[in-house]
Amino acid sequence: NAGVTQTPKFQVLKTGQSMTLQCAQDMNHEYMSWYRQDPGMGLRLIHYSVGAGITDQGEVPNGYNVSRSTTEDFPLRLLSAAPSQTSVYFCASSYSTGGAEKLFFGSGTQLSVL
Amino acid sequence: AQSVTQLDSQVPVFEEAPVELRCNYSSSVSVYLFWYVQYPNQGLQLLLKYLSGSTLVKGINGFEAEFNKSQTSFHLRKPSVHISDTAEYFCAVLVWGSNYKLTFGKGTLLTVNP
Repeated sequence: NAGVTQTPKFQVLKTGQSMTLQCAQDMNHEYMSWYRQDPGMGLRLIHYSVGAGITDQGEVPNGYNVSRSTTEDFPLRLLSAAPSQTSVYFCASSYSTGGAEKLFFGSGTQLSVL
Repeated sequence: AQSVTQLDSQVPVFEEAPVELRCNYSSSVSVYLFWYVQYPNQGLQLLLKYLSGSTLVKGINGFEAEFNKSQTSFHLRKPSVHISDTAEYFCAVLVWGSNYKLTFGKGTLLTVNP
């Protein structure tokens, strides 16, 4: 039972480079989301999806794109990385029952932008 | 918009002592409340949640929390902590009908010393 799988675990980018953070879940969850965690800031919602083909913005969406072509996968794209995007990124998923079900988190991707 | 305030960024305690981690929220409408725990280099795990009903909620690992609507608080307690409880704890709120937009507090680092 893999749960929520994030890859890579670590990544270093140069300013202006692009990359995709991968997230996959094998629990048939409808809801998936991306958070970033910064020291002293807690977790902030970047984008979320309530099902295949449906995405919406969270609290801090600028600089990030997402798509949801399948139930299992929810990649996060950085089109032109900036030092302000240095952070730890977490993907999370849950059952689609109104948002009150618990989130299952991946183990995170630590991203450094130089 | 809703917000969550965790009143202590760090709480050091000795092993077997009781602990209370404080959380206050603001919202003009009804909410669901959650406590998550993050162990070093891991994602978040759900400790407990309040949806409705009894205001005293019991969670995993001997933790409990009490919902106080008049004081808009959801403090987390444990009567006797262990070294293994050392972790960061996040309070989170979800507004009814907000379509999954979970708002996290900035976290409280609990350090249990021998």
